[in-house]
Amino acid sequence: GAVVSQHPSRVICKSGTSVKIECRSLDFQATTMFWYRQFPKQSLMLMATSNEGSKATYEQGVEKDKFLINHASLTLSTLTVTSAHPEDSSFYICSAVLAGPNTEAFFGQGTRLTVV
Amino acid sequence: GDSVTQMEGPVTLSEEAFLTINCTYTATGYPSLFWYVQYPGEGLQLLLKATKADDKGSNKGFEATYRKETTSFHLEKGSVQVSDSAVYFCALSEGGADGLTFGKGTHLIIQP
Repeated sequence: GAVVSQHPSRVICKSGTSVKIECRSLDFQATTMFWYRQFPKQSLMLMATSNEGSKATYEQGVEKDKFLINHASLTLSTLTVTSAHPEDSSFYICSAVLAGPNTEAFFGQGTRLTVV
Repeated sequence: GDSVTQMEGPVTLSEEAFLTINCTYTATGYPSLFWYVQYPGEGLQLLLKATKADDKGSNKGFEATYRKETTSFHLEKGSVQVSDSAVYFCALSEGGADGLTFGKGTHLIIQP
């Protein structure tokens, strides 16, 4: 199957700093990428939909100024957590959709963010 | 809106036992249904999927049938192995341009 690489896999940062997470589709072009957040023992919650060349669409309750998404190319989307706080600590996962009649989402390995 | 409900875990079974993880959904349209698996320390992997009613998805001995009449997509395996221990997520999608709606996940523990 197609490969989605997410980097870094783990990051620890201080409160008030910003952290950038990258999501790359390695062997296919993804016009659409999704960012999810997973809380402990809970499901993945869709945060935003990232479309190449246009502004991201954020789900209700997700602060767009806090979670900056950039989809500069067909193979790269980035999520920047700005002015991070401990409550932003979570597992963030991206997925990229392979275009076609039977679209399938491929997931990155996830990023464990810890804000101290 | 769309939602997915799956049985709460953890589910603990002995090796070679029969597995069923229930999943039901609500959707406005005709979604595609998925089961994803998350092994410890790894990201999500697609386990199987079904795109229309009565389709059966299968992979690695797991199977699930898209039941429109009961809005269900229960995951089954006839004989589980220790290596099947993981978290299983049921999910749906209304289309490729939409994100997935996930259930809360079911932690499966298989004991030797």
